[in-house]
Amino acid sequence: TQLLEQSPQFLSIQEGENLTVYCNSSSVFSSLQWYRQEPGEGPVLLVTVVTGGEVKKLKRLTFQFGDARKDSSLHITAAQPGDTGLYLCAANPTGGGADGLTFGKGTHLIIQP
Amino acid sequence: NAGVTQTPKFRILKIGQSMTLQCTQDMNHNYMYWYRQDPGMGLKLIYYSVGAGITDKGEVPNGYNVSRSTTEDFPLRLELAAPSQTSVYFCASSKQGISNQPQHFGDGTRLSIL
Repeated sequence: TQLLEQSPQFLSIQEGENLTVYCNSSSVFSSLQWYRQEPGEGPVLLVTVVTGGEVKKLKRLTFQFGDARKDSSLHITAAQPGDTGLYLCAANPTGGGADGLTFGKGTHLIIQP
Repeated sequence: NAGVTQTPKFRILKIGQSMTLQCTQDMNHNYMYWYRQDPGMGLKLIYYSVGAGITDKGEVPNGYNVSRSTTEDFPLRLELAAPSQTSVYFCASSKQGISNQPQHFGDGTRLSIL
């Protein structure tokens, strides 16, 4: 059983379109992180959400943490080819952090020019 | 600032061979981690360390060993390589062992066992 379920697994859209990807769980988390990974590189942190209902914006990217702190979404407005990559959500299942992160399987996003 | 550096970037091993994947960080982070990433499977934690001299198993530790003799270095050892260990291996570090702190990743070692 996957602790963090991400959907969709793959998404290919045209430049300028909007999109939303999801990260869902039956567990409650003290915080949740979103990472972006490009081919041949390691994941890079985009944002950490901590408070239920929290919304954070990073330019055209909007991240939301569910009220119950079980799920999160990433919305991209007017997608650009530079947004192409693998988007991973991650959380610590024990609520601590010292013992590492559990990752979802990721959403592979392709933005076509 | 180099961050987290992993070597080698690529390696091909024969079944039964051994090797060490190197990881070093220059950020003076106490917490370090090894993950493996298989196609379509996300990242899974192999081992982690909360400081020099302290290591612990993650979700998928079988077939691997680690050591942490210094704050900077956290090598991962494969003793008897098996095809199931073909994967991309990522080392990461964080300043604090708190879930809302960022983990900083290296660029990975791509390992094939044939």
